[in-house]
Amino acid sequence: AQSVTQLDSQVPVFEEAPVELRCNYSSSVSVYLFWYVQYPNQGLQLLLKYLSGSTLVKGINGFEAEFNKSQTSFHLRKPSVHISDTAEYFCAVRSAALNAGGTSYGKLTFGQGTILTVHP
Amino acid sequence: NAGVTQTPKFRVLKTGQSMTLLCAQDMNHEYMYWYRQDPGMGLRLIHYSVGEGTTAKGEVPDGYNVSRLKKQNFLLGLESAAPSQTSVYFCASWTANTGELFFGEGSRLTVL
Repeated sequence: AQSVTQLDSQVPVFEEAPVELRCNYSSSVSVYLFWYVQYPNQGLQLLLKYLSGSTLVKGINGFEAEFNKSQTSFHLRKPSVHISDTAEYFCAVRSAALNAGGTSYGKLTFGQGTILTVHP
Repeated sequence: NAGVTQTPKFRVLKTGQSMTLLCAQDMNHEYMYWYRQDPGMGLRLIHYSVGEGTTAKGEVPDGYNVSRLKKQNFLLGLESAAPSQTSVYFCASWTANTGELFFGEGSRLTVL
């Protein structure tokens, strides 16, 4: 089983400032990692994902995240935020283990969410 | 493409009433999921399905039932609603090709 901890429930920042949203995970098997964003009254959309390869992953809207296996972290960063980045952000993990059919079930385990508020 | 569509978007129930949430996807995905979202708790998996005619329990299945009679539809039922089931419910579908879950826009349920 996997678990995800987002270390900050709320992060207020000023426009054009840098931001880091922290995510740590726990798992006994290899995992894939994801960040999703939820704008008010909407569903979730994928920001970025780490499946394999380079540990620095770039996503949409200027966000990036770095997978650190030794620290079991996947922190999300943006060098300069905009008012429109105000939203709730979710870190999620999925087991990379395969079932008997040669694929995983795709189940995601989510963190508690971090509300990013960008002030003018 | 509509993607993942949930109906209804909003519903108010009285304790003890029953209802069904419908999720439809037009992407031919094998896997479908129902999550609930509560403040400070993120999204928790209720039930999921790995193909037509199959269902399995997730993290918080009690009080819910599901059915996947057609590949494109995944139904979530509440037989006797309780105030603790007040939540926002999200349906999602997944394909191993991209590794990405696609979410519906959510269904807000209030149980009085």
